[in-house]
Amino acid sequence: GENVEQHPSTLSVQEGDSAVIKCTYSDSASNYFPWYKQELGKGPQLIIDIRSNVGEKKDQRIAVTLNKTAKHFSLHITETQPEDSAVYFCAASLGGAGSYQLTFGKGTKLSVIP
Amino acid sequence: DARVTQTPRDKVTEMGQEVTMRCQPILGHNTVFWYRQTMMQGLELLAYFRNRAPLDDSGMPKDRFSAEMPDATLATLKIQPSEPRDSAVYFCASGLAGGNEQFFGPGTRLTVL
Repeated sequence: GENVEQHPSTLSVQEGDSAVIKCTYSDSASNYFPWYKQELGKGPQLIIDIRSNVGEKKDQRIAVTLNKTAKHFSLHITETQPEDSAVYFCAASLGGAGSYQLTFGKGTKLSVIP
Repeated sequence: DARVTQTPRDKVTEMGQEVTMRCQPILGHNTVFWYRQTMMQGLELLAYFRNRAPLDDSGMPKDRFSAEMPDATLATLKIQPSEPRDSAVYFCASGLAGGNEQFFGPGTRLTVL
């Protein structure tokens, strides 16, 4: 089955700096890669996703890059703000014509220091 | 504002008791997932349904866990009998046919004493 590794497990940055979280996956058939943000006491919230036919996707201050050859993808947050502090999870899935099960990384706890 | 709802939000019970968790998926979503989150194991898939039919429950301990979808608006996860190692946060997520996105509910925090 799929295995997703995520690094680092914790990350502290100064407000205004950039944060980068990296994930690798094992199953070359995976073609859908979402990122979730989880705040304390809440469920994971989808913040951005990318499909294997795209190398990069950007939404305001967040961007995701995908390297299918190397089987890794990354989340980039620019101009970090205190409200970005949360646990971020990457995931991989077969994608396709409907929702398929997600395999999650172990999470990265991001702390943005004012 | 369409969202997944879960009840109860918190449950404390004693070992051996039956626990039932409920999930209402987003209206129109035909795929429902149950995940368990612990510090040690992270987010693990327990089971998922499409059009109310179970597609995969290989992540679920069969002897004590059961998952059902009595109708399109209700999914249930039952543990009988519960054990302290079942203590975790249980999330339900739903997705739409033709899409890949999964939307999570707020979770049920289960504590088994």
